[in-house]
Amino acid sequence: DAMVIQNPRYQVTQFGKPVTLSCSQTLNHNVMYWYQQKSSQAPKLLFHYYDKDFNNEADTPDNFQSRRPNTSFCFLDIRSPGLGDAAMYLCATSRDKRDEQYFGPGTRLTVT
Amino acid sequence: AQSVAQPEDQVNVAEGNPLTVKCTYSVSGNPYLFWYVQYPNRGLQFLLKYITGDNLVKGSYGFEAEFNKSQTSFHLKKPSALVSDSALYFCAVRDSSGTYKYIFGTGTRLKVLA
Repeated sequence: DAMVIQNPRYQVTQFGKPVTLSCSQTLNHNVMYWYQQKSSQAPKLLFHYYDKDFNNEADTPDNFQSRRPNTSFCFLDIRSPGLGDAAMYLCATSRDKRDEQYFGPGTRLTVT
Repeated sequence: AQSVAQPEDQVNVAEGNPLTVKCTYSVSGNPYLFWYVQYPNRGLQFLLKYITGDNLVKGSYGFEAEFNKSQTSFHLKKPSALVSDSALYFCAVRDSSGTYKYIFGTGTRLKVLA
């Protein structure tokens, strides 16, 4: 049974055209994370929510925003995608900040 | 500063042979250590973790890891490799002093040859 679901799995957008990626979880975990991963590199944390508390990484571009309307769902909004934003975007959850994280399958974003 | 090193970009091993994927770490407090595996075009899958207790930790799919405090290492091991183990492996560390963020290693690609 899928526990962390990401939609869509593949997304193509045009340069500068806003795009939203979604993540949902059936684990009822408090913490949800968004990572960016390029070319088999280590995932880079963009931000996370601890319940409703939003925490932005210092080096996350302003172009990236997030929403968490309820425990189960979290969205990543890219306001004006550039070619450099093409990557795999991974959503993850954990019960608490100190626990292991459970990752979704990812959304591969292509910017044309 | 906290850091994690995976000194090998790639490890090749013959099917049926034991495998080791190396990880060393540096943290200010007691470490929380994790191993994840990533298959192509998939998210990371949790394999195992060390928080406290026995130095030998057993995880999913027959993997285990040995925590060595004196050598600040947490190497991933499996007694008999399968072709299906071929994937990208990430070691991650978090210290116990309050920081919640993972510090990921750069990843090691494991290739098991039939």
